[in-house]
Amino acid sequence: DTAVSQTPKYLVTQMGNDKSIKCEQNLGHDTMYWYKQDSKKFLKIMFSYNNKELIINETVPNRFSPKSPDKAHLNLHINSLELGDSAVYFCASSQATGYYEQYFGPGTRLTVT
Amino acid sequence: GDSVTQMEGPVTLSEEACLTINCTYTATGYPSLFWYVQYPGEGLQLLLKATKADDKGSNKGFEATYRKETTSFHLEKGSVQVSDSAVYFCALSEAFTGNQFYFGTGTSLTVIP
Repeated sequence: DTAVSQTPKYLVTQMGNDKSIKCEQNLGHDTMYWYKQDSKKFLKIMFSYNNKELIINETVPNRFSPKSPDKAHLNLHINSLELGDSAVYFCASSQATGYYEQYFGPGTRLTVT
Repeated sequence: GDSVTQMEGPVTLSEEACLTINCTYTATGYPSLFWYVQYPGEGLQLLLKATKADDKGSNKGFEATYRKETTSFHLEKGSVQVSDSAVYFCALSEAFTGNQFYFGTGTSLTVIP
């Protein structure tokens, strides 16, 4: 009965590869997010979707492409992985945009070698 | 633009000591303010929130008061436990900037027995 789940939990890959991270929420929320957390714990929002529509698209390389097939899922595809992409990626969801609590997934630790 | 500034860590305290983690914010309008906690190896989870000036959020012995005059939302606990060891994030969200969440840089707390 996990609220926000992500797969995989760990991802080790080589530079230049393409990989995807999947996220699912079973809370019935309308809004979903992707965050990147670096080694110093700094958290940066990457994307936000509301009812499957992209509403926040921060300055992120074009190699990162989110896809929301339905309100419960938000996947992140990364092309041509680089060393600097190594980080923990968190998916989150909230009832709607604004003042609502965000529920975070457990994170995906991506290591690019 | 909107931003959140937290005191730098890491913070190390003995069990039963008092905790204060400072947080100040810059916002255009009237934001809601949040404290999130991240335990080792996990995603963030909401600790407490306040949606208007002079509101006090509280949970698990932690408190924070929304002070508009000083643009602050300091996190306090009277007696910390080893289980409180985690990274704490201050955050804000306001409708004026599209309800985007702005997180502080996080403050690492270690409580020693």
